[in-house]
Amino acid sequence: SQQGEEDPQALSIQEGENATMNCSYKTSINNLQWYRQNSGRGLVHLILIRSNEREKHSGRLRVTLDTSKKSSSLLITASRAADTASYFCATDEYSGYALNFGKGTSLLVTP
Amino acid sequence: TGVTQSPTHLIKTRGQQVTLSCSPISGHRSVSWYQQTPGQGLQFLFEYFSETQRNKGNFPGRFSGRQFSNSRSEMNVSTLELGDSALYLCASSQTGNSGNTIYFGEGSWLTVV
Repeated sequence: SQQGEEDPQALSIQEGENATMNCSYKTSINNLQWYRQNSGRGLVHLILIRSNEREKHSGRLRVTLDTSKKSSSLLITASRAADTASYFCATDEYSGYALNFGKGTSLLVTP
Repeated sequence: TGVTQSPTHLIKTRGQQVTLSCSPISGHRSVSWYQQTPGQGLQFLFEYFSETQRNKGNFPGRFSGRQFSNSRSEMNVSTLELGDSALYLCASSQTGNSGNTIYFGEGSWLTVV
C-alpha cells in the first residue's frame, strides 16, 4: 500500500512556540490516528479523529481533519523540549484491520 | 498495563530464525504487527483476531505469526536476511475494527548480522 505524506519532514522550533504538522492521504477513510515516537521507542497514541469529525482537542494537542482535501493537521501549542519526537499519522484507508502510516515529521524543540 | 513485547533487543545471524512475542492489553482481542525501517518506514505485517489471521501485508512467506487463545501473539521470521534488521512493533485493540484506538508496544529491535 502507498504511504501517506507528512509535511514537513523535519521541524525545529523553540520552547513555547507552536508546532504544526500536516498529513495527507489518498483515498477515503473512516478515521485517522496520530502517534508520537521518541527515538528508538514504541508509538504512543495521541488522538483518533473520525471521518465525521472536523476537529478534536486533547490538552495541548489540536487535530483537524478535512476529508474534502484528504488532509489532517496536528497542532502542538506551547511546545516543550519533551515534545521532541517523530509524529506519525495513520489511516485505515486500505484496510479495516491495518494502519497505513505516513513517513512522519521529526520535531525538535530546543530550550 | 500496556502492550508488552519481548525480547527488547536481539542479534541474529543471517539464515537463522527468530520468534518475537507480544502480550496485548487485557481485554484486547486484536493483535497486529508492524515492521519499521529507516528506508520503508512503518509497514503492516499481519493482524490476528480470535486466533485467525484476518489480514496480511506485502511480506514474503518467511514472515509468519500466530495468536493464542489468550490473545497473546508471536511472530516468526525464518531464514533471516540482513534487510530484516528493523524495529518490530506489536499493537493491540479491542476488536481491530475501524474506529478502535490501536495501542503499540515498545517494540523488539532485531539486528541481523
